[in-house]
Amino acid sequence: QKEVEQNSGPLSVPEGAIASLNCTYSDRVSQSFFWYRQYSGKSPELIMSIYSNGDKEDGRFTAQLNKASQYVSLLIRDSQPSDSATYLCAASTDSWGKFQFGAGTQVVVTP
Amino acid sequence: DAGVTQSPTHLIKTRGQQVTLRCSPKSGHDTVSWYQQALGQGPQFIFQYYEEEERQRGNFPDRFSGHQFPNYSSELNVNALLLGDSALYLCASSWGGQIYEQYFGPGTRLTVT
Repeated sequence: QKEVEQNSGPLSVPEGAIASLNCTYSDRVSQSFFWYRQYSGKSPELIMSIYSNGDKEDGRFTAQLNKASQYVSLLIRDSQPSDSATYLCAASTDSWGKFQFGAGTQVVVTP
Repeated sequence: DAGVTQSPTHLIKTRGQQVTLRCSPKSGHDTVSWYQQALGQGPQFIFQYYEEEERQRGNFPDRFSGHQFPNYSSELNVNALLLGDSALYLCASSWGGQIYEQYFGPGTRLTVT
């Protein structure tokens, strides 16, 4: 079983709609969670981090964490064609711990 | 403010050869982590260097080794290359040994034939 799992997609989202991405993790000691965006042929860029249960909002992005269910999600509101990318979920046990990435979910925003 | 830089951009090697990849961290950063990203997969953690020492290591064989220099730049060495080593090699830098705020370089695309 992979430590961080994501649906590979592609997730097709109409422009202006909400994209909902899910991620589950197997290591109960994971404490920190991150969402990265990776455009094709480019390197990952950090868009959100979340450390506590609940929601965290940053602009059009909302991250949700439920440690009891070992589940973290990312919502993208008012999706734009420029949001078309692969979204990577990552988890770490602590600030010194190894980063574990999921395989990523491809999002395609259609005009 | 220079970001993370990596060299070379692309590299083609033959099975059995050795390769060295280089990374310069973002200005103000002193920690370098290396990742391997195969096509269609997420990055896999190789190891992290802080204070010129390997601090963390992922599930990679000893063929993968590294070094960090006093100016915080780093090298990734891979010996006895296998076809399966073909991937995008990413370097990420951060500050103080922590990994919360990592900035990735553009990567080196390694092809092993």
